Amino acid sequence: QVQLQQSGPGLVKPSHTLSLTCAISGDSVSSNSAAWNWIRQSPSRGLEWLGRTYYRSKWYNDYAISVKSRITINPDTSKNQFSLQLNSVTPEDTAVYYCAKDVEMDAFDIWGQGTMVTVSS
Amino acid sequence: QLVLTQSPSASASLGASVKLTCTLSSGHNSYAIAWHQQQPEKGPRYLMILNSDGSHSKGDGIPDRFSGSSSGTERYLTISSLQSEDEADYYCQTWDTGIQVFGGGTKLTVL
Repeated sequence: QVQLQQSGPGLVKPSHTLSLTCAISGDSVSSNSAAWNWIRQSPSRGLEWLGRTYYRSKWYNDYAISVKSRITINPDTSKNQFSLQLNSVTPEDTAVYYCAKDVEMDAFDIWGQGTMVTVSS
Repeated sequence: QLVLTQSPSASASLGASVKLTCTLSSGHNSYAIAWHQQQPEKGPRYLMILNSDGSHSKGDGIPDRFSGSSSGTERYLTISSLQSEDEADYYCQTWDTGIQVFGGGTKLTVL
C-alpha cells in the first residue's frame, strides 16, 4: 500500500524559499510508471497543480507555467522521497500543499496528508 | 485550451441519488478524467478514473454506490443511496502532455 508522508515548515517569510519533502513508502521514487507531483489548494485558486518529477531511464520534470520560474522539484533516491522548493514567495503562495502520485501521467491515485503553509513576516 | 467546468454546488436528500457533472472544453471529448472527493477538513481522495466511453476504474475501497459515465464532453459522477459522509467537495481532474488540470469543484450537500 503506497503512502506519502509530507514534512516541512508551516510558516515562511516573504521573499524566502518554501521547502517541503514527501517521503514515499510502498513504491519507489525511481518507478518507471509513476510520477511524483506537488499540488496546492487555496480559496482563491482552488486546486492548482505545480509540477512533477519522474524517471523514465533518466529524470524529467514538468512544471506549471504559473510557477515555472520559481519552482524546483527534486527526487532523492537515497531516502526514497522528493522535494518542493518554491523561491521568492509572497502571501499569494499561502496554501495547503499536497504531494501526490500519478500513474502513467494521468490520475492522482495517492495523496499526501497536506501541509498548510503561510507566507507572512 | 484544456479546461474543466463544474457547477459550484449540488444537493440531494439522504438515501437518494445525485449526478455531478464535469464538462471538458470544446474539442477535448476523447479525454479521460479522474474524480476526487474531499471531505471537510481532509485532503482529497481518489475515487475513479473515467474514460470517454464511460468505462471506469475505481480506487481501492471505493463503494459500489459511486459510478461514472460519459457523454460527449461531459463526465458524470453518480452517487446512489446518499449517506451523510458523502457530503463533500468533488473535483474532476484531467491531463495532457506536460500538464495536469483541475475543475473548480462541486460542493455536495446531503439534506
